[in-house]
Amino acid sequence: GAVVSQHPSWVICKSGTSVKIECRSLDFQATTMFWYRQFPKQSLMLMATSNEGSKATYEQGVEKDKFLINHASLTLSTLTVTSAHPEDSSFYICSARPRLAGVNYEQYFGPGTRLTVT
Amino acid sequence: GDSVTQMEGPVTLSEEAFLTINCTYTATGYPSLFWYVQYPGEGLQLLLKATKADDKGSNKGFEATYRKETTSFHLEKGSVQVSDSAVYFCALSDSGGYQKVTFGTGTKLQVIP
Repeated sequence: GAVVSQHPSWVICKSGTSVKIECRSLDFQATTMFWYRQFPKQSLMLMATSNEGSKATYEQGVEKDKFLINHASLTLSTLTVTSAHPEDSSFYICSARPRLAGVNYEQYFGPGTRLTVT
Repeated sequence: GDSVTQMEGPVTLSEEAFLTINCTYTATGYPSLFWYVQYPGEGLQLLLKATKADDKGSNKGFEATYRKETTSFHLEKGSVQVSDSAVYFCALSDSGGYQKVTFGTGTKLQVIP
């Protein structure tokens, strides 16, 4: 089956530093990847849609300059949290949609990255 | 915009009890509907899906039927096990180009022996 990995699985960083999270589709090419944020005991909130070779589309209320997304290839998207603050601590999950997938094709989710900013 | 409403939890059941988690949606067009499961400390796993009206998705004893007339996609299982304890998310994917997924708030299920 299709597998999506995330690295790191958890990270602790100091306030003011930046941290990069990678999302990789291991056995398929993904034209589109999605980044979600999940607060404790809450649902997933879509942050942005990442398309290979073009700028990401951010959801309303998500700071583009704070959450930098790069979709460098058909198998890799990165999320960089810049100048992190404690309120950025959260569980970040990515998903990938296979390239050339037809309508109604499912997305495959990564295992998530737990970010803690101290 | 699209939205998904699911029953609040937590839901606590005894092993072998019948499970229903209600889910209703609002969407334009013809969305696909999903149930995802999240075990503690893990990411989301697709449990089942349905892509058109009257479709029934099923997996691991769980079932859900796409009801367009009632805009519902309720999750059911006839006999739950302790290993089913997890958070269950109802979701829809729009029929647009990027197929953005909209999630419900999640329902925590706890099954006790």
